[in-house]
Amino acid sequence: DAKTTQPPSMDCAEGRAANLPCNHSTISGNEYVYWYRQIHSQGPQYIIHGLKNNETNEMASLIITEDRKSSTLILPHATLRDTAVYYCIAIYGNNRLAFGKGNQVVVIP
Amino acid sequence: DAGVTQSPTHLIKTRGQQVTLRCSPKSGHDTVSWYQQALGQGPQFIFQYYEEEERQRGNFPDRFSGHQFPNYSSELNVNALLLGDSALYLCASSSQGAYSNQPQHFGDGTRLSIL
Repeated sequence: DAKTTQPPSMDCAEGRAANLPCNHSTISGNEYVYWYRQIHSQGPQYIIHGLKNNETNEMASLIITEDRKSSTLILPHATLRDTAVYYCIAIYGNNRLAFGKGNQVVVIP
Repeated sequence: DAGVTQSPTHLIKTRGQQVTLRCSPKSGHDTVSWYQQALGQGPQFIFQYYEEEERQRGNFPDRFSGHQFPNYSSELNVNALLLGDSALYLCASSSQGAYSNQPQHFGDGTRLSIL
């Protein structure tokens, strides 16, 4: 599985778009990019995943660069409830997820 | 539509004991994975069950074993408990085995404390 790199932490303003970066420069052609988040004391929550094309759902948008070496998760209007650890994972198939340390995102009022 | 459910939510054991944790997958899912999350760390993969067989295993000793039942529910068993086994144990379910790109969905875990 490709290694991913995320900033250890970031702050976002409530009501603004939050852009969460992830580098996966060694990603292979059949590996998807998955995003999960974990709010304190809860299990990880699936957000979105994609292979090449940009994806959008009710929670977020995923922008993958054309060379697939990096991606950005966009939370369109951050709320206090979006404060969580966000994990970016590059993986083939429904395999063992390697979570790493993630990005601690704090939404500030 | 019930999501992934785990029981119990909290458990306290002493060193050397054995424990069984249970997981019911989300409706329509046939694959169950187990993860261990120590305090302040990301979840670590233990193993995955599909078609009632262990298909993949992470770097965990044989003291960790599991089972999947015909209704797709699963159990995680840990023998000879050590203090270091204190952690949040997470179950995740998904569909179509290890080579589907369908996402895994997690329960809220069982908090196991070893005294």
